[in-house]
Amino acid sequence: GQQLNQSPQSMFIQEGEDVSMNCTSSSIFNTWLWYKQDPGEGPVLLIALYKAGELTSNGRLTAQFGITRKDSFLNISASIPSDVGIYFCAGQVGSGNTGKLIFGQGTTLQVKP
Amino acid sequence: DTGVSQDPRHKITKRGQNVTFRCDPISEHNRLYWYRQTLGQGPEFLTYFQNEAQLEKSRLLSDRFSAERPKGSFSTLEIQRTEQGDSAMYLCASSSRTGYQETQYFGPGTRLLVL
Repeated sequence: GQQLNQSPQSMFIQEGEDVSMNCTSSSIFNTWLWYKQDPGEGPVLLIALYKAGELTSNGRLTAQFGITRKDSFLNISASIPSDVGIYFCAGQVGSGNTGKLIFGQGTTLQVKP
Repeated sequence: DTGVSQDPRHKITKRGQNVTFRCDPISEHNRLYWYRQTLGQGPEFLTYFQNEAQLEKSRLLSDRFSAERPKGSFSTLEIQRTEQGDSAMYLCASSSRTGYQETQYFGPGTRLLVL
């Protein structure tokens, strides 16, 4: 079945540092989404990418949809303590009727003040 | 707040009991998804509705699981004869599709613990 490999699994950084995480797949996706999840809560959408090569920013967050449609990365600039959480990439095939998401395993981010 | 809501937020039950969860999607969204998330993992797809029609079910959805969306608005997920392995966070997401673009918004989840 389709799988997403997300890396790194965890990161422990100093406040103010930049962060980069990525997802790769053996399958092609038509949409890539990045979510952030706090403990005990549902995932919150950060960035949605719909076209291969697309580069999109949301404040200090920047994400790109890989040209091959098999990968995506998320960058966070100038990290702050509230960036702490688990970040998930999700791919969507998007063809036909189904819009189900395939999720990566998550990247746990810890920020030291 | 017009986001996705789920009820209850937490449920503790004994093995063998039945449980039912409710999801209220964003009002204009015609697509509704259920996912299950276990500790340390990403959410996994369970089932999907477009309006009131259940169009896809994962192999994860055993015969003990049933989902409905009777009027194309809220949805319920029932687990019969719960097992300890059913302990997980159950997440609901809703979306609407514009052309080829579809973005799913998640609710806060229902955390189930089966003793």
